Amino acid sequence: GAVVSQHPSWVICKSGTSVKIECRSLDFQATTMFWYRQFPKQSLMLMATSNEGSKATYEQGVEKDKFLINHASLTLSTLTVTSAHPEDSSFYICSAPGGWGGRRGTQYFGPGTRLTVL
Amino acid sequence: QQQVKQSPQSLIVQKGGISIINCAYENTAFDYFPWYQQFPGKGPALLIAIRPDVSEKKEGRFTISFNKSAKQFSLHIMDSQPGDSATYFCAASSSGSARQLTFGSGTQLTVLP
Repeated sequence: GAVVSQHPSWVICKSGTSVKIECRSLDFQATTMFWYRQFPKQSLMLMATSNEGSKATYEQGVEKDKFLINHASLTLSTLTVTSAHPEDSSFYICSAPGGWGGRRGTQYFGPGTRLTVL
Repeated sequence: QQQVKQSPQSLIVQKGGISIINCAYENTAFDYFPWYQQFPGKGPALLIAIRPDVSEKKEGRFTISFNKSAKQFSLHIMDSQPGDSATYFCAASSSGSARQLTFGSGTQLTVLP
């Protein structure tokens, strides 16, 4: 099946620093990718929709200046958490809808990135 | 309108038993209903999915039952194994939303040996 990778798998940073998380579709192209945040024992919360070649669409309550999204190519989307604070500590997961390389309608998830802000 | 309600929140089943997780939705535009399995510290993995033109889909020990008129669907895990212990999420999406998923709240399944 289609594979989505994320890098890094975990990161620890100091408060006030910025962290970049990469999401790659390895064997298919994705004009759209989704970014989620998941707190312990909770469901996935959609943060934003990343669109290749255009601006990301953010969900209500998500600060677009804090969570910068860049969909630079058909296989890569990045999420940058700017000026991170301890409350940003969470599990960040990306996904991409299957299309040319995957079953249409299926979404494939990355393995997630654990962010801990000290 | 966008919610997907999932129950139970947690479920404990003996090895070999049947695990049943239920979901209900309101948005009639939803046309794709996947179930995801998530282990701690990992991303969700697609388990099985169904479209509303069929009432049941079976893949190995996993079966989705779908009731379009009631706007409900459920996951049945037959012969549950300790390795099935994980969190299960139902979800729904529509073709008109770039396949954006709406997730249920999740069910923590524990299968006792």
